[in-house]
Amino acid sequence: GDSVTQMEGPVTLSEEAFLTINCTYTATGYPSLFWYVQYPGEGLQLLLKATKADDKGSNKGFEATYRKETTSFHLEKGSVQVSDSAVYFCALSGSARQLTFGSGTQLTVLP
Amino acid sequence: DVKVTQSSRYLVKRTGEKVFLECVQDMDHENMFWYRQDPGLGLRLIYFSYDVKMKEKGDIPEGYSVSREKKERFSLILESASTNQTSMYLCASGLGERGYGYTFGSGTRLTVV
Repeated sequence: GDSVTQMEGPVTLSEEAFLTINCTYTATGYPSLFWYVQYPGEGLQLLLKATKADDKGSNKGFEATYRKETTSFHLEKGSVQVSDSAVYFCALSGSARQLTFGSGTQLTVLP
Repeated sequence: DVKVTQSSRYLVKRTGEKVFLECVQDMDHENMFWYRQDPGLGLRLIYFSYDVKMKEKGDIPEGYSVSREKKERFSLILESASTNQTSMYLCASGLGERGYGYTFGSGTRLTVV
């Protein structure tokens, strides 16, 4: 079945550091890929998505590229801010009508 | 802007009480989902529904039931609340199309004492 493997956290960075959160997936066919962000005490919000190979999703300075050859969708940001502190979830939408989520990665950005 | 509204942000209930968590979406989505989220365990699917009056068990349905009498409303019911059901509950809805994803509510933090 479909699965998503995310980089284990927690991740702690200083402000303005470069961020990478790794995400790899297993799925049949051509899934769509998503990153969600959850701020403390809130629900999940869609951060960005990509629906086909080589697509790049981007939002709020975050980017992720759908790499079919490596089955990956790594999240990157060039310069993180304290306000980026949150839990980040990678997810895929494959053959089923449901999303399959990774386990989440806690990011803390220190001033 | 599309919305999924959960009736309560915080709830405190006593052991043995019957608890209703309500979720309403205004996007005419067919699919609705209930998850619980606990530290270190990620998101776990409790129940989902692909249509009115339809429900399917997720990964951890024990101790829960659901109701979907109208398309926009999906209720999670704890028949007899227990302390191990203390958790963050998240409702989500979606179109069911591959590239669409879900819209989540803000969550209900339930404490059972």
